[in-house]
Amino acid sequence: SQQGEEDPQALSIQEGENATMNCSYKTSINNLQWYRQNSGRGLVHLILIRSNEREKHSGRLRVTLDTSKKSSSLLITASRAADTASYFCATEDISNFGNEKLTFGTGTRLTIIP
Amino acid sequence: DAGVTQSPTHLIKTRGQQVTLRCSPKSGHDTVSWYQQALGQGPQFIFQYYEEEERQRGNFPDRFSGHQFPNYSSELNVNALLLGDSALYLCASSLFGLSGTHQYEQYFGPGTRLTVT
Repeated sequence: SQQGEEDPQALSIQEGENATMNCSYKTSINNLQWYRQNSGRGLVHLILIRSNEREKHSGRLRVTLDTSKKSSSLLITASRAADTASYFCATEDISNFGNEKLTFGTGTRLTIIP
Repeated sequence: DAGVTQSPTHLIKTRGQQVTLRCSPKSGHDTVSWYQQALGQGPQFIFQYYEEEERQRGNFPDRFSGHQFPNYSSELNVNALLLGDSALYLCASSLFGLSGTHQYEQYFGPGTRLTVT
């Protein structure tokens, strides 16, 4: 079963704009990770945020985590056409610490319009 | 440094047949996990192998089985294929290691697209 849901399910923005997508999950976690998937192929790891962190940056990516609300957001700034992809959040549940089992959300399909 | 590789890329099978998918982990990684991704869905965890043993299993029937070899590569076997087994099968590798070398990021291969007719 899916751990949570991404919101929105689909998002279309103009190139250069910022894109924000949200993820909600259900259980206590050790960490939350964001992945990108192009055209139904392999997943590319973007960023990992641990349960004791609130915000993390990597290049044009900014991730926040609110464990009290069991939610996370991914912000992509200054979007580019190459950012067009599906984005998934994945959680490592606290009961599985050290086992690295990931539970994925349903994904957000991001389209950047040139 | 080679990343995670999977073979074959695509596969078409008939209901009732058996299939074997293969995965080579990223160099230096010792743990392999398998995921099934149905069209339009997020990946779902099948099982994970470490030290040649199944360490954890998701909610998949016994028709799904696997193996890890001494070189850390892995196979996923599915018996008695059903139409619903049609999906993208993803392999991910990571480093569990010992003495604080544990890394949480999983590196995914390009996947094997299985179509059951």
